[in-house]
Amino acid sequence: GAGVSQSPSNKVTEKGKDVELRCDPISGHTALYWYRQRLGQGLEFLIYFQGNSAPDKSGLPSDRFSAERTGESVSTLTIQRTQQEDSAVYLCASIREGGRPWVPDTQYFGPGTRLTVL
Amino acid sequence: KNEVEQSPQNLTAQEGEFITINCSYSVGISALHWLQQHPGGGIVSLFMLSSGKKKHGRLIATINIQEKHSSLHITASHPRDSAVYICAVRSTTSGSRLTFGEGTQLTVNP
Repeated sequence: GAGVSQSPSNKVTEKGKDVELRCDPISGHTALYWYRQRLGQGLEFLIYFQGNSAPDKSGLPSDRFSAERTGESVSTLTIQRTQQEDSAVYLCASIREGGRPWVPDTQYFGPGTRLTVL
Repeated sequence: KNEVEQSPQNLTAQEGEFITINCSYSVGISALHWLQQHPGGGIVSLFMLSSGKKKHGRLIATINIQEKHSSLHITASHPRDSAVYICAVRSTTSGSRLTFGEGTQLTVNP
């Protein structure tokens, strides 16, 4: 079946504008992660959704960042009033987690959205 | 000190060599992931380990829970193995989030 898809693949915006990034997870995957990777740096966790549970937002760097996911479908990551330091590749990954939280599962990554804030 | 540390940061090898990349972590974990990131940026999950050893083709991953250490081995390396290899852990105290190492840049020359 299809993998994780993200759109747009590239986004160039001006400082101060809002942007919305989209992630389509693999069908049936209950859990979804957003990550950020700045140029030359490692991956940073942003937010995690698992089913209808409250999301783990502990990685969001500021209140300009928010994310939504309805059920087990599409997720959107919104960055308001973008700053130049928001420039990064934003990656989404989904997992088919079962009802046993102590049983981790493999993450499937999307191709990422490269965000450039001018 | 980072919770997840990888070594070496950079590794250059000749085609055919046996390669080892190391990952040490300082927290209790429920799982450890090895990821591969190619120059185009795409990330592929290679292994997820919670104990023992896993093998897939020329790749072998091992983990020692007591020593808080994992290794990724590549046998008969090939230029197409050139990529950044990333270790990530899911700790038992931070819920669902993953903590990533800085990555190891591997270059395999023909």
